[in-house]
Amino acid sequence: EAQVTQNPRYLITVTGKKLTVTCSQNMNHEYMSWYRQDPGLGLRQIYYSMNVEVTDKGDVPEGYKVSRKEKRNFPLILESPSPNQTSLYFCASSSQAYGPYEQYFGPGTRLTVT
Amino acid sequence: AQTVTQSQPEMSVQEAETVTLSCTYDTSENNYYLFWYKQPPSRQMILVIRQEAYKQQNATENRFSVNFQKAAKSFSLKISDSQLGDTAMYFCAFMKLDRGGADGLTFGKGTHLIIQP
Repeated sequence: EAQVTQNPRYLITVTGKKLTVTCSQNMNHEYMSWYRQDPGLGLRQIYYSMNVEVTDKGDVPEGYKVSRKEKRNFPLILESPSPNQTSLYFCASSSQAYGPYEQYFGPGTRLTVT
Repeated sequence: AQTVTQSQPEMSVQEAETVTLSCTYDTSENNYYLFWYKQPPSRQMILVIRQEAYKQQNATENRFSVNFQKAAKSFSLKISDSQLGDTAMYFCAFMKLDRGGADGLTFGKGTHLIIQP
């Protein structure tokens, strides 16, 4: 089954404690992306990657890091989380080689930073 | 940069009615896609319908159809014969295309649609 998986699904942590949210896709997609969703703001792109070892900032990259060492994985790293990073996070992937460029979303990770 | 505007934060209709959700966007790009995503209480993002900007014909998927007005930069979603399971947040999204392929999605703030029994 074609899918994007994220782990963990729920996470409560404290300010300053480094954490990683994993994302993996099994569709051989080149493009992967992270979004955060906040009430009243919709979804906003954090970082994206157009292929292995190629990453770039989205609209709200501050406080986040990513890496793309393998095509299937795109982890999101919060080195020193703060309460304003409490949010719902989505990983997504899509093919770059051909249309319709539909982005497939993971199930989301609910992060709370106290 | 692109912007997407959904002017209706919340809408409520009776089951079986037809409802239209509005979306406008601002871009200087000529080559792009537009999407409507549904987010039910489970929080999963589900693609409802897509429209390629170069296609004049409006996309249709069963009870869902769009009214794409490229000159007006408008992309509304019509849901016919609405069902209780249509209750969800609906997001309009824009994706530009360039020589490297697709780009990220720019989302509107969403419309919360409630279908009343």
